[in-house]
Amino acid sequence: QKEVEQDPGPLSVPEGAIVSLNCTYSNSAFQYFMWYRQYSRKGPELLMYTYSSGNKEDGRFTAQVDKSSKYISLFIRDSQPSDSATYLCAMSVPYNTDKLIFGTGTRLQVFP
Amino acid sequence: DSGVTQTPKHLITATGQRVTLRCSPRSGDLSVYWYQQSLDQGLQFLIQYYNGEERAKGNILERFSAQQFPDLHSELNLSSLELGDSALYFCASSLRLADKETQYFGPGTRLLVL
Repeated sequence: QKEVEQDPGPLSVPEGAIVSLNCTYSNSAFQYFMWYRQYSRKGPELLMYTYSSGNKEDGRFTAQVDKSSKYISLFIRDSQPSDSATYLCAMSVPYNTDKLIFGTGTRLQVFP
Repeated sequence: DSGVTQTPKHLITATGQRVTLRCSPRSGDLSVYWYQQSLDQGLQFLIQYYNGEERAKGNILERFSAQQFPDLHSELNLSSLELGDSALYFCASSLRLADKETQYFGPGTRLLVL
């Protein structure tokens, strides 16, 4: 079993829809949770970064962490065609010089 | 633009060959990370350097090696290449050792081994 699981999609939604992207994980030591956006043929770009449980909002994006369920979500409101990309979740253990653990990514397509 | 640069953008080579990928981190960033991204494996951490010293190793093969130079740029050397090494190779950087959660990625080098 992978440490981080993410549905690969693709997820296809109409413009203006609310999108929900999710990851589950197995390591209860994870404390930092990140969402990266990766456009085709580009490097991943950090979108959201949260510590421990709770919600964080940035414009149209909301990140949620539920540590009791080992489940994180990224919500995109009023989705736009420019949001079409692959979304990667990533997690880490604090004060550990080891790696970030990435999900395999969910491909999102927002059609006009 | 993240400020991280990688060269070359594309590389086509044959099995058994050796290649070097280069990365320049964002100005001021001391930590450099290398990742491999393939369709079936996703983004896999290879190795991390901080201010010239190796700090962490991930799933890096013995045929692969890296180093970080005094000017903080880094090189990833891949030798005895196999077909399965075809992938996107990303470099990322962060300011300090404690900033691994906020990494900035370069545009990647696409390696094709024929």
